[in-house]
Amino acid sequence: SQQGEEDPQALSIQEGENATMNCSYKTSINNLQWYRQNSGRGLVHLILIRSNEREKHSGRLRVTLDTSKKSSSLLITASRAADTASYFCATDLNTGFQKLVFGTGTRLLVSP
Amino acid sequence: DTEVTQTPKHLVMGMTNKKSLKCEQHMGHRAMYWYKQKAKKPPELMFVYSYEKLSINESVPSRFSPECPNSSLLNLHLHALQPEDSALYLCASSQVFGGNTEAFFGQGTRLTVV
Repeated sequence: SQQGEEDPQALSIQEGENATMNCSYKTSINNLQWYRQNSGRGLVHLILIRSNEREKHSGRLRVTLDTSKKSSSLLITASRAADTASYFCATDLNTGFQKLVFGTGTRLLVSP
Repeated sequence: DTEVTQTPKHLVMGMTNKKSLKCEQHMGHRAMYWYKQKAKKPPELMFVYSYEKLSINESVPSRFSPECPNSSLLNLHLHALQPEDSALYLCASSQVFGGNTEAFFGQGTRLTVV
């Protein structure tokens, strides 16, 4: 399977704390993306990092990418209860066509 | 308008029924996708359409039949499904060959096969 692995599988923190989740993948990629999914509904795109980028920020989100280790991390700073969701990394395989392969996901619970 | 709209939201069907899932977007995206997601698992790609032509079929059983009648619509026709086909079916769209572009997902159809 080309599927990536994420850890931890589940993360429980208090509001205001930072949350870090990690993603490892297996093949060369065009880019890596992070998505959020609330309660098993649709996915919402959070951030995209290209294979030639090492770090990217968007609001309270910080993403890093290490292509030599085939890994990425997502940091959510100053978390809020509304951040409670499942987070998936998705690799866009460099096939000349967008073909997202999702990681196993991290379930984040932020308690008030 | 950055929405992908899927109907119905919920569907219960018997193993001998024929039903269809519908997906619509008006973002001008020429790539559309069907994903299947089982509980507590990541989405898995089923089909990709590019410019209304089927580009990728990830070895999906023939009881799932996709159709792209125009650049805004994507259907998934279902026939003779099995209980193990119960899942959340997600539609997505994106630019074609966008090179580093995001996918927009609908809210999904939760399918139960009885």
